[in-house]
Amino acid sequence: GDSVTQMEGPVTLSEEAFLTINCTYTATGYPSLFWYVQYPGEGLQLLLKATKADDKGSNKGFEATYRKETTSFHLEKGSVQVSDSAVYFCALSDPGTGGFKTIFGAGTRLFVKA
Amino acid sequence: EAGVTQFPSHSVIEKGQTVTLRCDPISGHDNLYWYRRVMGKEIKFLLHFVKESKQDESGMPNNRFLAERTGGTYSTLKVQPAELEDSGVYFCASSQVISGGQFFGPGTRLTVL
Repeated sequence: GDSVTQMEGPVTLSEEAFLTINCTYTATGYPSLFWYVQYPGEGLQLLLKATKADDKGSNKGFEATYRKETTSFHLEKGSVQVSDSAVYFCALSDPGTGGFKTIFGAGTRLFVKA
Repeated sequence: EAGVTQFPSHSVIEKGQTVTLRCDPISGHDNLYWYRRVMGKEIKFLLHFVKESKQDESGMPNNRFLAERTGGTYSTLKVQPAELEDSGVYFCASSQVISGGQFFGPGTRLTVL
């Protein structure tokens, strides 16, 4: 079945460092891909999305490009801030084969030090 | 506009007891989903409502779990009787359209002792 694998955390960075969180997926259809973020004490928020190959999702300085050839959707940010400390979840939705549920990776916790 | 709300935020019960979780989706969202995250593992899908109908309940773990959405507005998820392995965070989400991502609530943390 469909699945999402993302790098284990925690990831600890200093402020203004470059961030990459790797995410790869397995899907039999043509999924939409998402990054969700969970800040401390809050619910999940949609950070960005991409619905087809080569699409780039972006929001709040974060970017991810849908790479069908490598089945990847890595999250990047050029300069992280302390306020970016959170848990990041890569996810997919594959209506063609998996219905409308969202399938999540295990989450990667990010700590940003001042 | 209010977001997805869930009640209670925390619940601590003993094994064998019953617990009912409630989710109020964003007004006008026909699609409502339940997920849970157990022991820091992946967030797993439980079921999907379209209005009051169960569209997909393939993720419901067993018949101790019962979800309802009477009238197509709020939803409840009842666990009866609760077992230790039911402990975790239960998330509700809603969406207006099927594609494009879902809006999540803050979750209910359930602890079964």
